[in-house]
Amino acid sequence: AQSVSQHNHHVILSEAASLELGCNYSYGGTVNLFWYVQYPGQHLQLLLKYFSGDPLVKGIKGFEAEFIKSKFSFNLRKPSVQWSDTAEYFCAVSSYNNDMRFGAGTRLTVKP
Amino acid sequence: SAVISQKPSRDICQRGTSLTIQCQVDSQVTMMFWYRQQPGQSLTLIATANQGSEATYESGFVIDKFPISRPNLTFSTLTVSNMSPEDSSIYLCSVPRVGQRTRTLYEQYFGPGTRLTVT
Repeated sequence: AQSVSQHNHHVILSEAASLELGCNYSYGGTVNLFWYVQYPGQHLQLLLKYFSGDPLVKGIKGFEAEFIKSKFSFNLRKPSVQWSDTAEYFCAVSSYNNDMRFGAGTRLTVKP
Repeated sequence: SAVISQKPSRDICQRGTSLTIQCQVDSQVTMMFWYRQQPGQSLTLIATANQGSEATYESGFVIDKFPISRPNLTFSTLTVSNMSPEDSSIYLCSVPRVGQRTRTLYEQYFGPGTRLTVT
């Protein structure tokens, strides 16, 4: 069965700092990869997704993620975080005929 | 995308009682998922609810504890039965976008969740 690992449980940054959240998955076949974000008191929302093609994926609000197949990784990045990026971030993986598996989540706190 | 609502948004229940959570979608969908998000943890899939058939439960979840109904293509309920404090969690329903040809599960749209506290 596929699994997803997020290495950072809680990340604290100052505004304008750069962000990279790690995500690794275990599955040998073709996968679809996602990052979801949950702002305080709000729904889970899709931040970005990768299905195929360019492994560097750009999402909303200046976020991007890079799929590195050889490393089974899909790390999330943002060059300069804002206070409004404070949220919980979840990496997720789906594959053919399978449901979606979520990582444990990373809580990001951005200090103003 | 789909707009999903859940009722109740939160509840505090006593041990041994049951709570039914409703999920309403603004469009017809074949498949709906029910997740649990325990405090400080990730989302765990409880079951898949397809209209017109029995729900499919994941390992560790059983129908007697989490009965699900799916009476039509826009609505589903999840009941948390004989509750204990360990059932305190956020329960979410979601609607996936599934590839017609490949059956690949694409992104999901989530409801706002139901925050359940069992005392």
